[in-house]
Amino acid sequence: QSVLAQPTSASGTPGQRVTISCSGVTSNIGSNYVSWYQQLPEATPQLLIYTNNRRPSGVPDRFSGSKSGTSASLAISGLRSEDEADYYCAAWDDSLGAVIFGGGTKLTVL
Amino acid sequence: QAQLVQSGAEVKMPGSSVKVSCKTSRDTFSSYTLSWVRQAPGHGLEWLGGVIPIFDKTHSARDFQDRIAFTTDESTSTVYIDLNSLTSEDTAVYFCVATPTIATTASRWYFDLWGRGTHVTVSS
Repeated sequence: QSVLAQPTSASGTPGQRVTISCSGVTSNIGSNYVSWYQQLPEATPQLLIYTNNRRPSGVPDRFSGSKSGTSASLAISGLRSEDEADYYCAAWDDSLGAVIFGGGTKLTVL
Repeated sequence: QAQLVQSGAEVKMPGSSVKVSCKTSRDTFSSYTLSWVRQAPGHGLEWLGGVIPIFDKTHSARDFQDRIAFTTDESTSTVYIDLNSLTSEDTAVYFCVATPTIATTASRWYFDLWGRGTHVTVSS
């Protein structure tokens, strides 16, 4: 199963700004929108960012998304302990005719 | 907030099949694309495919096309996933997820509604 490339782990201290990258190719990120999901420990994933940079209602503005070319990024500012979770990016892939996910990034708040 | 209510946990023998249901509201059934995402223990998320109930149109991930089916029951606003020829690698939590159809028809796929998940264990 093809996946988008994410770092396996990231970390930061409370109050810090961290970014998580998501790398793809022309047929996925390069041509389509990116979404991001947060999965807290032992919980169901939740939508964090959609269509590259939009936040659903209820998601704090500390979370932001961006896309450039075939890469996307999730930024978390003012890091909090409750942000410790797994984060996944996703996009439609025109070649596969499927939604593909990144492998996930485990964020640790030190 | 719309809800996606999934059926309970399943334990299956290798080689058998499993059918998992996801019940929605009439409004969600008529305006959302309903997909399935699974997560094997200790692993990431994997999209299996989905259905647009109002168009009766399905999308399937290539890895599963030969052994997966998506069906709907308009009378109960329920969608189903049927996966056959199960192996231990199909052991996972299966999530029913939803995207506004107005988004998927414009290739803007994202999952803003999630069911709680159905644990499927394949073991002899």
